[in-house]
Amino acid sequence: AQSVTQPDIHITVSEGASLELRCNYSYGATPYLFWYVQSPGQGLQLLLKYFSGDTLVQGIKGFEAEFKRSQSSFNLRKPSVHWSDAAEYFCAVEGYGGSQGNLIFGKGTKLSVKP
Amino acid sequence: DVKVTQSSRYLVKRTGEKVFLECVQDMDHENMFWYRQDPGLGLRLIYFSYDVKMKEKGDIPEGYSVSREKKERFSLILESASTNQTSMYLCASNPRQGPETQYFGPGTRLLVL
Repeated sequence: AQSVTQPDIHITVSEGASLELRCNYSYGATPYLFWYVQSPGQGLQLLLKYFSGDTLVQGIKGFEAEFKRSQSSFNLRKPSVHWSDAAEYFCAVEGYGGSQGNLIFGKGTKLSVKP
Repeated sequence: DVKVTQSSRYLVKRTGEKVFLECVQDMDHENMFWYRQDPGLGLRLIYFSYDVKMKEKGDIPEGYSVSREKKERFSLILESASTNQTSMYLCASNPRQGPETQYFGPGTRLLVL
């Protein structure tokens, strides 16, 4: 069965520091991968997605992610974090077969930003 | 601009009450989804629908039912609310032909007393 693992439950970084959030997936075919962000009390907003092609994907708010098939990973990065990036981040993979169109989510990584 | 709206942001109900959560999308999407979100558990799929009057169980359908009478509207029903259904409920939609981004509503935070 498909699954998504986000190994870090909570990360704290200083404002201006670089950020990497890890995501590993379990999937038998070419995955369709997503990163979403959720600000407190809000719904989820799409940051970026990977369907095919260039394995380095650019998203909104200065985020990027790199798909590495050999490592089954899709890590999210940002070179310089802003205080407004404090939120919870979710990695997801699209299901296949009877679950097409569904997303399998990781449990999320909460990001705190120190001034 | 795409829009998914949910009828309430916050809701307080009593144990045993029947609860309706409404979701409306204006993007003419075929697929609609209901998730619940709990700390440390991420998002878990309750039910989804591929078309009007169609529904499929997700990972945690027990205690819930759904209704999709119109393409734009997908309702989640708690037949007899219980305290363990206190949670954040998120609705989403996307077009049938994948892969496609799911667009989320703002969520309904439900407290069952």
